[in-house]
Amino acid sequence: SAVISQKPSRDICQRGTSLTIQCQVDSQVTMMFWYRQQPGQSLTLIATANQGSEATYESGFVIDKFPISRPNLTFSTLTVSNMSPEDSSIYLCSVAWGGRATADEQFFGPGTRLTVL
Amino acid sequence: QKEVEQNSGPLSVPEGAIASLNCTYSDRGSQSFFWYRQYSGKSPELIMFIYSNGDKEDGRFTAQLNKASQYVSLLIRDSQPSDSATYLCAVWGDSSYKLIFGSGTRLLVRP
Repeated sequence: SAVISQKPSRDICQRGTSLTIQCQVDSQVTMMFWYRQQPGQSLTLIATANQGSEATYESGFVIDKFPISRPNLTFSTLTVSNMSPEDSSIYLCSVAWGGRATADEQFFGPGTRLTVL
Repeated sequence: QKEVEQNSGPLSVPEGAIASLNCTYSDRGSQSFFWYRQYSGKSPELIMFIYSNGDKEDGRFTAQLNKASQYVSLLIRDSQPSDSATYLCAVWGDSSYKLIFGSGTRLLVRP
């Protein structure tokens, strides 16, 4: 499996500001994903980060609020823009490993715990 | 109906017992099924995956899949206090083309 790191591990931000979360993988992977896990809840997919093209967003998530970059096969960023307290959550980067581009096992990074005041 | 359903628990079992965690899913075309363990404050950790009907064993863990009943389960034999965590069932949705998570079952193993 891949080794995944995320920066920052946690942050406390003021409302109206933006935070960019970085995800770095130690191997090239085809599929990278961004999830949100709100307190006491399960994981919700925000978007699939596609290398060389725009991210694919899930219903309820938009590019203006959660812009994503994927400049290469080992790195991606998620920005949480114009934050409000409702954005307080854990944000998780995930990669699909195994060669197939679809239903492979997914592994998660350690997460970024965001608190918005 | 939720796409992936789990009993939220907590499921409490004594140390050494078998813990049985269950999951049902709605997409009949789903082909890939995963179990993640998540300790409090940590990210999910993949512990089992299963693609075919029947049982798949890995150490103390057994995943069971019944596609006809759209049912997946995870058995943990000889449960240990260190197994206390939330267990997330995830299904690759062939129609939605993404991994869909259940809400998780919290397992408590009593010493």
